[in-house]
Amino acid sequence: EIVMTQSPATLSVSPGERATLSCRASQSVSSNLAWYQQKPGQAPRLLIYGAITRATGIPARFSGSGSGTEFTLTISSLQSEDFAVYYCQQYNNWPPKLTFGGGTKVEIK
Amino acid sequence: QLQLQESGPGLVKPSETLSLTCTVSGGSISSSSYYWGWIRQPPGKGLEWIGSIYYSGSTYYNSSLKSRVTISVDMSRNQFSLKLSSVTAADTAVYYCARHRGGFDYWGQGTLVTVSS
Repeated sequence: EIVMTQSPATLSVSPGERATLSCRASQSVSSNLAWYQQKPGQAPRLLIYGAITRATGIPARFSGSGSGTEFTLTISSLQSEDFAVYYCQQYNNWPPKLTFGGGTKVEIK
Repeated sequence: QLQLQESGPGLVKPSETLSLTCTVSGGSISSSSYYWGWIRQPPGKGLEWIGSIYYSGSTYYNSSLKSRVTISVDMSRNQFSLKLSSVTAADTAVYYCARHRGGFDYWGQGTLVTVSS
């Protein structure tokens, strides 16, 4: 089973600053990776798929990069509404398998 | 606009079977290329994929839950359902239904299911 590891667990950032979140796969997932944002009490929202493609309606300040085993989600200038938990998810061996990372909480510094 | 809505009991007794239904509106569950999945999130923890179904009836389950999970589809009602047997307190979670190809692009709002006697 492919294990997805996200780091750091918590990231403290000031509004307006850049945030860089990492996701590592235990084996190559090619570019079959998605990123999600989840706010308290809400369902996750798809941000990025195919490692680099923004989902519909996602602001340009969100960008994804990487392939293989190392991936990054960058938020170029944090807005107040961006403080949330972010998850990565691989779907390289879909079907029948897909897995989520453990999440990174982005909090206000 | 596609919408998904989970429904089912919010409280289940230990050893019993958890049953949830996801009703899809604004689109057809028989859309080709899309799968329909269940994901859960224990309080304060991360996301865990439970399993998914294709409109044809093909099912795919998380290996850690496979022995207890059944997912089915009812195209006439545009619904798909989850059954999780022999539940314990560890199955207490918010359960989400969602549509996906690779990434999950449409989600229900989630429903909290508590396992307690």
